[in-house]
Amino acid sequence: GQQVMQIPQYQHVQEGEDFTTYCNSSTTLSNIQWYKQRPGGHPVFLIQLVKSGEVKKQKRLTFQFGEAKKNSSLHITATQTTDVGTYFCAGPRAGGTSYGKLTFGQGTILTVHP
Amino acid sequence: DVKVTQSSRYLVKRTGEKVFLECVQDMDHENMFWYRQDPGLGLRLIYFSYDVKMKEKGDIPEGYSVSREKKERFSLILESASTNQTSMYLCASSNSGRAIFFGPGTRLTVL
Repeated sequence: GQQVMQIPQYQHVQEGEDFTTYCNSSTTLSNIQWYKQRPGGHPVFLIQLVKSGEVKKQKRLTFQFGEAKKNSSLHITATQTTDVGTYFCAGPRAGGTSYGKLTFGQGTILTVHP
Repeated sequence: DVKVTQSSRYLVKRTGEKVFLECVQDMDHENMFWYRQDPGLGLRLIYFSYDVKMKEKGDIPEGYSVSREKKERFSLILESASTNQTSMYLCASSNSGRAIFFGPGTRLTVL
């Protein structure tokens, strides 16, 4: 079945360092979404990418969707302690009545040392 | 502001009890979901509903059932709770092709 893999599983950085998490799908995706879950919280939608090669920015966060629409990345410039949390990518499920069902990656847990 | 609410943040039940987890969304979303989240296993879909009274099994439906009698409400039922169902349960809703909005979660402990 469809798989969405994320690496790394964990990342520990010093405040001010950059951070990148990568997402790879076993199938071509019509779009990809990114979510952030703060410790003790629930996943919160960050962004959706739809076009091949698309790049979107949200302040210090840069999201990319690969040309083949099978991979994506999230890059954070100059991390801050507020960036701590788990970052998930998610893609629509292939086949069947998808109706918005997503396959989530395992997530990357980011910790930031002040 | 969009909102998904869950009936309890924390719940403790005994093995064999029937457990009801309630979820309500106020965004008029078509789709509603129940996920469970466990360390190292990510978010796993239990059940999904795309319309009132319509449901589909997710990846791990065994031991669970659901009910959606009204568009805004989606209930997860543990017919006979077991210790391996101790987990964080997250309800969510969406319109197809758009962002999923999650509730705050219910941390269920089965003793």
